[in-house]
This record gives sequence, C-alpha cells and structure tokens, in this order.
Amino acid sequence: EVQLVESGGGLVQPGGSLRLSCAASGFTFSTYWMTWVRQAPGKGLEWVAYIKQDGSEKYYVDSVKGPFTISRDNAKNTLYLQMNSLRAEDTAVYYCARGRYCSSPTCRYFDFWGQGTLVTVSS
Amino acid sequence: QSVLTQPPSVSAAPGQSVTISCSGSSSNIGNNYVSWYQQLPGTAPKLLIYDNNKRPSGIPDRFSGSKSGTSATLGITGLQTGDEADYYCGTWDSSLSAVVFGGGTKLTVL
Repeated sequence: EVQLVESGGGLVQPGGSLRLSCAASGFTFSTYWMTWVRQAPGKGLEWVAYIKQDGSEKYYVDSVKGPFTISRDNAKNTLYLQMNSLRAEDTAVYYCARGRYCSSPTCRYFDFWGQGTLVTVSS
Repeated sequence: QSVLTQPPSVSAAPGQSVTISCSGSSSNIGNNYVSWYQQLPGTAPKLLIYDNNKRPSGIPDRFSGSKSGTSATLGITGLQTGDEADYYCGTWDSSLSAVVFGGGTKLTVL
C-alpha cells in the first residue's frame, strides 16, 4: 500500500525557517518524481515544487523560487522541503504527492497524496 | 485569481447528475492533459480522473471526464451524499512553467 506521511509543520515567526519531510513507503520511491502542493486555509490547491527521481532536476512555482528548496534522500525514502524566509502568505497545509508519467518539466498527474502538514507563519 | 476557472459551487439532489466545468487556455488545457481531484472535508486530495478521461482503479464509473479545446468537464452521475466535496481540475501551464489548478468547486448534494 502506497503511503506518504508528512511531518515537520508547525508555528514559525515571519522570516524563520522550517524543513518539512515526507516519508514514503509501499513503492519504489527512487523511481518516481515527487512534488509538494500547498493549500492555504479555506483556499484552493497551489503547486509548489517538483523533483526528479535522482534529484537532478527541480522545478518551483515563481513565488517560492529562492527561499524554498526541494530535495530527497532515496536511501531513506524521504522527500524534503526546506523553507526559508517564511512569510504569512506561506501559511498552508503542505501535501507531498507522487507524480506519474513525468517528462521534464512536469508530470501528467499526481496519483497518491499524503495527509498534509500545517505550517503557520505568524508572530 | 486561478488560471483555470471553475464554478465556485454546484448542487443537485441525490441520484441526479452534475457537471463541473474547468476553463483554461491554449497554454494549459488546450495542449496538456487534465486531471481532477476530489477533496472530502478535512482530508487530502484524491485523484479522480487523469489524462482527461481515465479513471484510476477503484473510482466508480459514475465519475467521468472530458476535454474539448481549452475546457474540461467532470461529470458525476447517481449523486450520493458521500460525493459532497471540493473538486479541483489541474494541468501544466506551458507559459507559466507551472502546474496550475482551478479554484475548486464545492459540490452540495441536497
């Protein structure tokens, strides 16, 4: 059974940093593109970043380029999102998801999603 | 403002059918595959339709997808109270170089 479990969310002050993790199981993690998608409270979905199987390619939405870094550790079956210089607008539930039928720079769809982790940026 | 336009809400009675539209442009829907996601209250999104009109295993055939030009449509027949959820369309936007989603449509089964 495919499982994606996010962790690392919490309350952080504006300008602070946080690293999210997504532990994957039930599939061969190293053979899939992975992605982060976020959802601000009461709002819709917003794609954040992609990472290729071996980490050699990464893609970001313009609003997070620079402050956010996506990475992965295939030996630990874990996806990460390092978030720096956080702003109130980054407050959201962050979901990791598995990409399918991916060819640079995108995947055709996301077939499994984690339950999400809430990041709150506030003083 | 979302790049893909969906109606904020739709409603219908149990047993009836409903369609949810997703309107875009040539840089997104017009030249890329569309997927649909169902988000039940308080839960993570779940893949409902991929590649415009394909259903993952386990998704009942009451759910269908179609695409024509720069618009896509999700159809749901035989509505059940358990279908009450937010529905999102998504695709790649070649101009923005980003995955884009619609603003979401809240389905109410009266």
